[in-house]
Amino acid sequence: DAGVIQSPRHEVTEMGQEVTLRCKPISGHDYLFWYRQTMMRGLELLIYFNNNVPIDDSGMPEDRFSAKMPNASFSTLKIQPSEPRDSAVYFCASRKAGTNTGELFFGEGSRLTVL
Amino acid sequence: SQQGEEDPQALSIQEGENATMNCSYKTSINNLQWYRQNSGRGLVHLILIRSNEREKHSGRLRVTLDTSKKSSSLLITASRAADTASYFCAAANPWRGAQKLVFGQGTRLTINP
Repeated sequence: DAGVIQSPRHEVTEMGQEVTLRCKPISGHDYLFWYRQTMMRGLELLIYFNNNVPIDDSGMPEDRFSAKMPNASFSTLKIQPSEPRDSAVYFCASRKAGTNTGELFFGEGSRLTVL
Repeated sequence: SQQGEEDPQALSIQEGENATMNCSYKTSINNLQWYRQNSGRGLVHLILIRSNEREKHSGRLRVTLDTSKKSSSLLITASRAADTASYFCAAANPWRGAQKLVFGQGTRLTINP
């Protein structure tokens, strides 16, 4: 089975540009999470969805960040306009509800560099 | 603030030795999970221990949980070069009938051949 698929793997852009990161969760998973990883702050939960509905977006740093999940197999994280401090690795993860483990399955991440 | 603070931040040992990493958290949990991250890759789930469990084993991994001290430890026995990675604990906080996983900063483990 395919795991969580993220694209692009690497993105280099200039300050002020719009950035869109994409994620395809594992089929049948009910929850989707977006995390950001930096050396300074570690792994931060930005937002998560349950059955395509945003449940908690309290980790989204500011209005420049937005996330959508139009259907069960696709989610986007958008930054507009981007700033150098947004440089980080962004991870998408998914899991299935009603399991005993609560284990998260992570994608390989999207490394964003904003110049 | 982040829960799941790991200790030490970095650990370097010889192949064959045991590696112990510790984690502390701040609030009530449903369970505590440990993940491994190889350089440039995503996190991979290793093991989960529930709040009513005290110890759990999986292969060369042993996890303990002390809810009175809000702490957990991960022991990797007979370490191998392939164990070189960063290890994160994640506290699963009950929230709105589901759970949020909050990760610590991680321990960078280096196994020297």
